[in-house]
Amino acid sequence: DGGITQSPKYLFRKEGQNVTLSCEQNLNHDAMYWYRQDPGQGLRLIYYSQIVNDFQKGDIAEGYSVSREKKESFPLTVTSAQKNPTAFYLCASIRTGVSNQPQHFGDGTRLSIL
Amino acid sequence: QKEVEQDPGPLSVPEGAIVSLNCTYSNSAFQYFMWYRQYSRKGPELLMYTYSSGNKEDGRFTAQVDKSSKYISLFIRDSQPSDSATYLCAAAGGGNKLTFGTGTQLKVEL
Repeated sequence: DGGITQSPKYLFRKEGQNVTLSCEQNLNHDAMYWYRQDPGQGLRLIYYSQIVNDFQKGDIAEGYSVSREKKESFPLTVTSAQKNPTAFYLCASIRTGVSNQPQHFGDGTRLSIL
Repeated sequence: QKEVEQDPGPLSVPEGAIVSLNCTYSNSAFQYFMWYRQYSRKGPELLMYTYSSGNKEDGRFTAQVDKSSKYISLFIRDSQPSDSATYLCAAAGGGNKLTFGTGTQLKVEL
């Protein structure tokens, strides 16, 4: 069954610690996205990648980093520089090269501060 | 001003009611419009996807886009308790970047 898998479902971060959120897709999608969701603010774009080994900053990239070494995988690292990391993080993917396709989402990772 | 505005609710309706959810947008370049449904602690699930102006129907759901007034709507007929969720509208121009509304929380009561 094709889909987007995010892990872990819940994650706790200590002060000064970097944590990495996993996103894997087996949909053969080219582009992948990371969003942050806070109550009352909707989804805000952190980073996105259109192809392997390339990625662009979104609207709120400060304090985050990503890599795209494989088409299937787009991990997000929340660094210690992100002072307010508590949020619901969502990964999405899309097939490019076809007239505008909607994004499909994983089930998210909830990150909290210890 | 946000590019996509959506009333956060909460909106509470009785079972069987017709629900109307709405968004406005400001960017004239938006051509593609989506409605997502999000249950608590889950990712958004695509409900409806429309291009330009007009209506699109899928079962109990109808999406409507009026580009002249920059207004998008989702209607839910015969609403069920299982429709209780947060509904997110989203819009995109020619590229693949989506701009989301803040979401409307809907509760359908027995």
